[in-house]
Amino acid sequence: QVQLQESGPGLVKPSETLSLTCTVSGGSVSSGSYYWNWIRQPPGKGLEWIGYIFDSGSTNYNPSLKSRVTISLDTSKNQFSLKLTSVTAADTAVYYCARGLGYRTVAANWGQGTLVTVSS
Amino acid sequence: EIVMTQSPATLSVSPGERATLSCRASQSVSSYLAWYQQKPGQAPSLLIYGASTRATGIPVRFSGSGSGTEFTLTISSLQSEDFAVYYCQQYNNWPGTFGQGTKVEIK
Repeated sequence: QVQLQESGPGLVKPSETLSLTCTVSGGSVSSGSYYWNWIRQPPGKGLEWIGYIFDSGSTNYNPSLKSRVTISLDTSKNQFSLKLTSVTAADTAVYYCARGLGYRTVAANWGQGTLVTVSS
Repeated sequence: EIVMTQSPATLSVSPGERATLSCRASQSVSSYLAWYQQKPGQAPSLLIYGASTRATGIPVRFSGSGSGTEFTLTISSLQSEDFAVYYCQQYNNWPGTFGQGTKVEIK
């Protein structure tokens, strides 16, 4: 059973860059056939798909965040990462990494999530 | 971007009763519709995809139906562990978009 675990700073200052890593166990990010996703949820609110990467390294980002987002893959560490630049309080959220249901933007396996607060 | 609208916002149901949750898309998403369950303090978990296919390990009391713009999640006999928030999500168009959720609470 694949497991995912997010890690990174819980507090980021406004205008700085949010960086998170998702470590995958029980599966390989380079094995093919899956999207590796980032999804976020502001406190008390709904879910927003940030973007995904797949084994070739190709990415797709939510147009609302595209100018600020980078998702990358580190096959040597079996991880994928999220960078979000120029953050504001509106980026405060629980950030989840998730494995897709094959090549579909359906989140079949989720990490536990990590709360990132943007505040000075 | 496709807007997903769920109703009702809150559903009060007694254990053992049937719950019916609705999800509407602002344009057709064919059958590219998923349902998730989220309990407090936990990540969402996938229940249904393809509008009606149960994910691995999901009990048969959960069923999904619909296509196009109108979808339904039915829980045939609510168990204590089913009280949670449920989200629908379309994946016909990028970005995948979620409804605002329906909270199923104990009556």
